[in-house]
Amino acid sequence: DIQMTQSPSTLSASVGDRVTITCRASQNIYFWLAWYQQKPGKAPKLLIYEASRLQSGVPSRFSGSASGTEFTLTISSLQPDDFATYYCQRYSTYPYTFGQGTKLEIK
Amino acid sequence: EVQLVESGGGLVQPGESLRLSCTASGFTFNTFWMIWVRQAPGKGLEWVASINQIGSEAYYVDSAEGRFTVSRENAKNSLDLQMSSLRAEDTAIYYCARGYCGGRNCFAGVFDIWGQGTVVTVSS
Repeated sequence: DIQMTQSPSTLSASVGDRVTITCRASQNIYFWLAWYQQKPGKAPKLLIYEASRLQSGVPSRFSGSASGTEFTLTISSLQPDDFATYYCQRYSTYPYTFGQGTKLEIK
Repeated sequence: EVQLVESGGGLVQPGESLRLSCTASGFTFNTFWMIWVRQAPGKGLEWVASINQIGSEAYYVDSAEGRFTVSRENAKNSLDLQMSSLRAEDTAIYYCARGYCGGRNCFAGVFDIWGQGTVVTVSS
């Protein structure tokens, strides 16, 4: 199975900071990668799909990019509502797999 | 309003069975892939199973293969997950989700609508 390695596992940042979360695939997954945000006690929310396409209604401070098997989620200017856990997820082939998650904390 | 509502979770003993259900509303259910994703306590997300629009294709994570069966009844806007031979490691919140369709494209592996989840606890 194709593995997804997400880093860092925890990230401390302040409101207004620019942050980047990385996900690396063990094999080529082309652009078949999505990013989700999850807050405690809530279901995940789709942010980005196809590596860089912003889901409707998601603020433009969120962006995604890809370079080979490395994918990044960038939040350009952190807002208080952005402190949450973020997951990448590949959907190139079955079984679909998620990264381990990155918990974004307030510094 | 587009909505998914799961039900059927509970406490069961190892080796027992449980059937989860997900009722959809606010969209044309029979045009979307449907998915089950779970999250063990304090852990990350794990894709469990997917089923296509007409129920003719189903896919499972290895640990669920042979024990879980995903099905749907489009006339009732309903998705089910029949789980048998349950193990302690199946303990999780189980979410149903919808495969995303945007414009002319549908992505079975992108999950745009999620339910609130139902809790399954497998313990003696």
